[in-house]
Amino acid sequence: DSGVTQTPKHLITATGQRVTLRCSPRSGDLSVYWYQQSLDQGLQFLIQYYNGEERAKGNILERFSAQQFPDLHSELNLSSLELGDSALYFCASSGLDREGYGYTFGSGTRLTVV
Amino acid sequence: AQSVSQHNHHVILSEAASLELGCNYSYGGTVNLFWYVQYPGQHLQLLLKYFSGDPLVKGIKGFEAEFIKSKFSFNLRKPSVQWSDTAEYFCAVKGGSQGNLIFGKGTKLSVKP
Repeated sequence: DSGVTQTPKHLITATGQRVTLRCSPRSGDLSVYWYQQSLDQGLQFLIQYYNGEERAKGNILERFSAQQFPDLHSELNLSSLELGDSALYFCASSGLDREGYGYTFGSGTRLTVV
Repeated sequence: AQSVSQHNHHVILSEAASLELGCNYSYGGTVNLFWYVQYPGQHLQLLLKYFSGDPLVKGIKGFEAEFIKSKFSFNLRKPSVQWSDTAEYFCAVKGGSQGNLIFGKGTKLSVKP
């Protein structure tokens, strides 16, 4: 157990639908990062939140959005799903005072769009 | 923009062979460098990291990496691999003020018993 919790582990949904992925960071970590891992694109950075505020944006589609709540858990919302959104979605957390000390990853949510 | 290149997509070795996985990055400033391992069906785990100081970094499970600034490289090495090292290995860089990691596409390592 890495200390970063992601739910659900697996999700199967139809095209056009909307899903929400949840991430609880390691205790004390203020930053949450979302990554998408697919066979053709590798690990792509989507978005970062720090203490409730958006900090950095990567290759995140407009159909995707995220937020970080006061208790520091984060949710990634994926809407109008397409077949190509099928991927493994990872969350990672990092503490600002330990920003240089690595990032802890969750086990991921495997999304299958059918 | 920062980028990371991993030269080998798939490496196949026999047990006890030596391993070197290449990683090059593009970023002109100060960087933090990482190697992660992903075992089948599992999350990414940190193998080792470089921030400053000794360019030869030792990590877990007998892995080490050398930062060569002039070559923008951070290659991963292990003198003798085991079957249990079969996994995918990712090089990552964090540069400048950005907090996020930029990953290479990964190298799949298969070790034959």
